[in-house]
Amino acid sequence: DIVMTQSPDSLAVSLGERATINCKSSQSVLYSSNNKNCLAWYQQKPGQPPKLLIYWASTRESGVPDRFSGSGSGTDFTLTISSLQAEDVAIYYCQQYYSTPLTFGGGTKVEIK
Amino acid sequence: EVQVVESGGGLVQPGGSLKLSCAASGITFSDVAMHWVRQASGEGLEWVGRIRSKTNNYATAYAASVKGRFTISRDDSKNTAYLQMNSLKTEDTAVYYCTPFIWSGYYTPSNWGQGSLVTVSS
Repeated sequence: DIVMTQSPDSLAVSLGERATINCKSSQSVLYSSNNKNCLAWYQQKPGQPPKLLIYWASTRESGVPDRFSGSGSGTDFTLTISSLQAEDVAIYYCQQYYSTPLTFGGGTKVEIK
Repeated sequence: EVQVVESGGGLVQPGGSLKLSCAASGITFSDVAMHWVRQASGEGLEWVGRIRSKTNNYATAYAASVKGRFTISRDDSKNTAYLQMNSLKTEDTAVYYCTPFIWSGYYTPSNWGQGSLVTVSS
């Protein structure tokens, strides 16, 4: 199984400041046929289901604000919120969909400082 | 827009069975793979299993924790996937989500439903 490790477990950022979340996979999730990484990011607010933000490591889902961006390749990935807004308080998860079992990181809780 | 609605959750005794349904719209259902993911209260996300499309022979795969007890199926004529859960254990208590993965040369993730709560307790 591919193990997904997120860091930090939590972070507090001031409004308007940058938030950076890291995700590391235990093996490459690069799909050679299209040279894209099978890595997604989700946002989950209390009492709500996870919401897809990013897939293919850097493709923003329709409707997601452009302050959210994904980067990285191979085994190391990053989700960046360029200017944190109050509505961004949530838990963020990375997920690999390269192979089954699909696996998730442990989550990063983002709060306002 | 992709919309997903789960149903069928409830309270069941240990050793019992329950069947969840997942209806999807806004997509060509026959082309998608349907995944199930669960989340125990206050915990992270755990993948349960998936069923691929007819083109991919309705292939299924399961997490080790549910293999042999859970079965995923689908009815493309009803745009619905199912999760049959047998021999339920207290540790299966969770909110169960379904989510379609859409084929475009590779299955890519999409929206999730609101989830269906399954409580296994005596």
